[in-house]
Amino acid sequence: AQKVTQAQTEISVVEKEDVTLDCVYETRDTTYYLFWYKQPPSGELVFLIRRNSFDEQNEISGRYSWNFQKSTSSFNFTITASQVVDSAVYFCALSAQDSGYALNFGKGTSLLVTP
Amino acid sequence: DTGVSQDPRHKITKRGQNVTFRCDPISEHNRLYWYRQTLGQGPEFLTYFQNEAQLEKSRLLSDRFSAERPKGSFSTLEIQRTEQGDSAMYLCASSLGGNLRGEQYFGPGTRLTVT
Repeated sequence: AQKVTQAQTEISVVEKEDVTLDCVYETRDTTYYLFWYKQPPSGELVFLIRRNSFDEQNEISGRYSWNFQKSTSSFNFTITASQVVDSAVYFCALSAQDSGYALNFGKGTSLLVTP
Repeated sequence: DTGVSQDPRHKITKRGQNVTFRCDPISEHNRLYWYRQTLGQGPEFLTYFQNEAQLEKSRLLSDRFSAERPKGSFSTLEIQRTEQGDSAMYLCASSLGGNLRGEQYFGPGTRLTVT
């Protein structure tokens, strides 16, 4: 069985603040994949990143960075110098063989960035 | 536009009616997924296809739900005898075949309202 927990339901920050979105997962698979998706108010899910379970190297893409720690089963997402356009719901997801590699999503974290 | 497309974008129906939604994946993608998203929740996996083969359908919500992908291109999701609890956003996603762990790209969704 797989489970993804995003404990933060809503976060509100002021523009230019840094913000970290938490994601904790559970799986029995030794090989699995972790994802972050963004769902802006328009509704369409936008792929942000995929991480393989055997690659714990952290990744940075512009203002976005991801911290993957297998020891704590966490895959956290940090936005540096947040902007109003970052306002959206962010979903963490897991896929693994025992689910046919379908995405198992958390409940999402709603981020509001105010000017 | 080479993204995933879904039709219709919105559907209002009366309880007891049948509805059918269509998904056109990214042309070179041979994996196609259906998800359902209710308010305040992450998307919930329903079923998926590898080409025309439906490889997982045990997660369909009831026997009123069925999906097809007759020629391995577009797919349809049908809900028979709709109930008010079926009101949700129905999302389609596709990914590149041969890469089971590949990122899934989502369409804009079909929002179903059952009155």
